Formats: sequence, structure tokens, C-alpha cells
Amino acid sequence: SQTIHQWPATLVQPVGSPLSLECTVEGTSNPNLYWYRQAAGRGLQLLFYSVGIGQISSEVPQNLSASRPQDRQFILSSKKLLLSDSGFYLCAWRPQNTEAFFGQGTRLTVV
Amino acid sequence: QQQVKQSPQSLIVQKGGIPIINCAYENTAFDYFPWYQQFPGKGPALLIAIRPDVSEKKEGRFTISFNKSAKQFSLHIMDSQPGDSATYFCAANRWGGTALIFGKGTTLSVSS
Repeated sequence: SQTIHQWPATLVQPVGSPLSLECTVEGTSNPNLYWYRQAAGRGLQLLFYSVGIGQISSEVPQNLSASRPQDRQFILSSKKLLLSDSGFYLCAWRPQNTEAFFGQGTRLTVV
Repeated sequence: QQQVKQSPQSLIVQKGGIPIINCAYENTAFDYFPWYQQFPGKGPALLIAIRPDVSEKKEGRFTISFNKSAKQFSLHIMDSQPGDSATYFCAANRWGGTALIFGKGTTLSVSS
């Protein structure tokens, strides 16, 4: 069966520090992968999605970037975190023509 | 045209009540409408989904009603229980499309 792993679960980082969140999927190949951010009152905001290795689409211009170095690995990064980057980050994958499956999320607090 | 508008933002009902959450969309190309349930500190999980070729779909105590002409769909929870207390998100996209577009969520509290 397919599973999605996302880590770390929680993270506290100072302003200006770098960020790297990792997401991996098991049990499938060539999945569509997504990064969402959830902030209070703003729902689930799509940040990036990828349909294949090295293929990244950005939905919202911001202080973040994403990479897909391997088929089942999706990484969210920042060179210098801002206070406004705090939030709950969710990785998701979606097989063709079906529902999206979410990871357990990373609670990021920038201090 | 990419937005999905969800209401209300929060909802409080008593046990056994029938909370109703509504969503509206603009993009007529959307043809897949799922609802997700999220508990605190967890990722969202699919609850129920509908395609526009039907006007209603039931799974257990959860029902989606779909009005294609009005471009609206809603979630009804029958005989609500305290364990249903969670945040609910509606979403939409084109079947086979790349990414789900989510509403802003509704926080439901069911009191015992």
C-alpha cells in the first residue's frame, strides 16, 4: 500500500535561518506531489506541485522554493525564513484521477 | 475562477443535530468535488467526494448535495456526534487536473 512520510513534525526556527522540509512517498511511482500551507483562517493554500522529477510549478510567489530530486521525494526549502513563513505545512500526493493523500504535516514556528 | 468559497467559518451544533457546510465555485470546468476532514495536528483525510453527474451522494452519516446550475455543493452530517468535531474542507478541480483547490475550512464543534 502507498504511504506518505513527512518530517519533522514540529520545527522552531529563528528568522533568517534556512529551511528544509522533506516528503517521501512509498508504494507508487511517478505521483503528482504537492506542498500546501495552512494558516489560521486561510484554509489550505497550494504552494508548489510537481508532476515529475525536476518539474516544479509555483502557485504563489514567496520566500520558499521546492525541488524534486527523486521520483518519490519532494523538498520544501527556504534560504532565509521570515516570521510570515510560520504555519502548518502539508505534503500531499495524488494518483491519477483520484483523491489527494496528505502527510501528517509540519508545524513551523519562526521566532 | 480558481476560488472555492466555503461557509460558515465555524459551526456549533448539539449532538444529534445536522450541521450543513456550503461551498460555491466559479470555474465550470471543475468536475470533481471532495470533502476533507481534519483533526487538530493531523493532515486532512478524504471524507466523501462527488462528481457532477449526480445530485447527491451518501456515505454513512455524511451526504453531499450538488447543484450544478447554481455551482454549489454542500456537506450534511446526520446525527452528528462529538467525534465529528473537526475542521472540514471542501475542494474542487478538474477530474484528472493537477491540483485540488480548497475552501478556507469550517471548524465544527459538536457538543454533548
